Amino acid sequence: GQQLNQSPQSMFIQEGEDVSMNCTSSSIFNTWLWYKQDPGEGPVLLIALYKAGELTSNGRLTAQFGITRKDSFLNISASIPSDVGIYFCAGQNSGYALNFGKGTSLLVTP
Amino acid sequence: GAVVSQHPSRVICKSGTSVKIECRSLDFQATTMFWYRQFPKQSLMLMATSNEGSKATYEQGVEKDKFLINHASLTLSTLTVTSAHPEDSSFYICSALRGGALSEKLFFGSGTQLSVL
Repeated sequence: GQQLNQSPQSMFIQEGEDVSMNCTSSSIFNTWLWYKQDPGEGPVLLIALYKAGELTSNGRLTAQFGITRKDSFLNISASIPSDVGIYFCAGQNSGYALNFGKGTSLLVTP
Repeated sequence: GAVVSQHPSRVICKSGTSVKIECRSLDFQATTMFWYRQFPKQSLMLMATSNEGSKATYEQGVEKDKFLINHASLTLSTLTVTSAHPEDSSFYICSALRGGALSEKLFFGSGTQLSVL
């Protein structure tokens, strides 16, 4: 499968700051998803996007599906220490298998 | 909510031995399960797609004779790493698809950390 380009690779921020990360692909996806993975655990779905241009929120998280279907971003507002983890974007087309980005490691200091 | 149970969570084995990892969908039937491998600080890479009652479909570069997948029931898929070697040490994660095509119905297990000595 194709691996998506995700940036930044890592972020080190203070509690209360906003965070933005994005994901791009050379090909089109019908669905974009954002996951969070804690060490030694499987990824947990944060937000799923199904339509180009769609902007969806989940609490302090907001994600958008790019108009071209080749990109997506995730914003986290007012970060807290428990936001620490690795965030992955994933693109999906028919067949259900996900293509993951390389991940963004987020560290939040109190 | 739906739960996918993966067992064991951690296994250490000697080189040359085989290791079986189980992936169970606890409260739904999964006709399709996926197996991923994740190396430290890397992303999840799809290894194979497992369909109940049929042979698994492997991604390019994944040896089907080394990574045996069995999906004998709608709630259980197993991955057996045969004749494991240190380079097989990795974090293996399964995911199970419930119902239709929406990604919200794709659930991940908690992963298995395999260490081959």
